[in-house]
Amino acid sequence: GENVEQHPSTLSVQEGDSAVIKCTYSDSASNYFPWYKQELGKRPQLIIDIRSNVGEKKDQRIAVTLNKTAKHFSLHITETQPEDSAVYFCAAPIIQGAQKLVFGQGTRLTINP
Amino acid sequence: GAGVSQSPRYKVAKRGQDVALRCDPISGHVSLFWYQQALGQGPEFLTYFQNEAQLDKSGLPSDRFFAERPEGSVSTLKIQRTQQEDSAVYLCASSFSRTTPYQPQHFGDGTRLSIL
Repeated sequence: GENVEQHPSTLSVQEGDSAVIKCTYSDSASNYFPWYKQELGKRPQLIIDIRSNVGEKKDQRIAVTLNKTAKHFSLHITETQPEDSAVYFCAAPIIQGAQKLVFGQGTRLTINP
Repeated sequence: GAGVSQSPRYKVAKRGQDVALRCDPISGHVSLFWYQQALGQGPEFLTYFQNEAQLDKSGLPSDRFFAERPEGSVSTLKIQRTQQEDSAVYLCASSFSRTTPYQPQHFGDGTRLSIL
């Protein structure tokens, strides 16, 4: 089955700097990779996703890169702001059956003013 | 509201009681997922419905957990004879369909269950 590893578990950056979170996955058949942002007590919110037919996708200050050969994908946040502070989760689907998502362990990102 | 709605937001129960958690998915979404999120962890899959059919329940931790979606819309997750290890946030997610390409899952705010 799918196994998703996420690093680092905590990340602290100065406001305005960039943050990078990395995930590796095990199932080479996986073809869709979402990133969720979860603020304390709130729902996981989809912030960006990428499909396996592209290597990079950008949405304003957020970008995701995918390396299918190495089976890893990364979230990049540029010009970080205090409201970026949250827990971020990567995920990958199990392709067979329900296509349920397997989540990484999460990264607690803190933006220091 | 166009999002996934869950109720109650908080539930406190004594050990041994039965609880029922409700999920109202986004209108028109065929697929519905239940996840369990322990404190400081990522969500873990419990069960999946496609319309009213429960196609995967491999993540349910024991036979005390039961889920249904009788009309293919609202779903209920029931936990019988609750135990302290059942304390967690229970998240519901829905997506438009399960056909390729993979459809994004959208989550509700969850139900925080505390077993005393």
